[in-house]
Amino acid sequence: AQSVTQLGSHVSVSEGALVLLRCNYSSSVPPYLFWYVQYPNQGLQLLLKYTSAATLVKGINGFEAEFKKSETSFHLTKPSAHMSDAAEYFCAASQGNQGGKLIFGQGTELSVKP
Amino acid sequence: KAGVTQTPRYLIKTRGQQVTLSCSPISGHRSVSWYQQTPGQGLQFLFEYFSETQRNKGNFPGRFSGRQFSNSRSEMNVSTLELGDSALYLCASRPGGMYEQYFGPGTRLTVT
Repeated sequence: AQSVTQLGSHVSVSEGALVLLRCNYSSSVPPYLFWYVQYPNQGLQLLLKYTSAATLVKGINGFEAEFKKSETSFHLTKPSAHMSDAAEYFCAASQGNQGGKLIFGQGTELSVKP
Repeated sequence: KAGVTQTPRYLIKTRGQQVTLSCSPISGHRSVSWYQQTPGQGLQFLFEYFSETQRNKGNFPGRFSGRQFSNSRSEMNVSTLELGDSALYLCASRPGGMYEQYFGPGTRLTVT
């Protein structure tokens, strides 16, 4: 069965430092991959998506992610963290024949220190 | 374009009762999916509706059901509520032929 694993339930960085949130998927067929962000008491906001068009994907708020098939990874990065980036981040995957079903990772809470 | 809306935003129910949650997708989106979010289990898929038909179902008991209307609005129902049903219930919609889903703000259900 398809699964998504996020390494690290909590990541803490200083303001201005690199943000790296890790995501690995388990699937024999590369799925469609997504990163979402959730602020307290809110729903999920789509940051970026990979749908096989390009391996380096740019999203909103300066985030980007690189799809690496050989490593079954889709890590999220941002060159310089901002205080407003503090939130919970979820990696998710779906297969083409079950497009309406997202499989989520456990989530990574990002803290940004001043 | 207006986003996904969910009503009510907060709900308190007693064990044994039933509850109905509502979701209005983004205009033009015909697919609606529902998810349950809890601290222990994370985000779990409940079901997906497309053109009034359930297309996919997650691993939840039959107490959880849903439906979709001709205008794509969707409802989910939970009968015989249990304490463990306390969760944030999220609805998401997606445009035809695309895979990204757009989420609503959720309904926070508390079962006492």
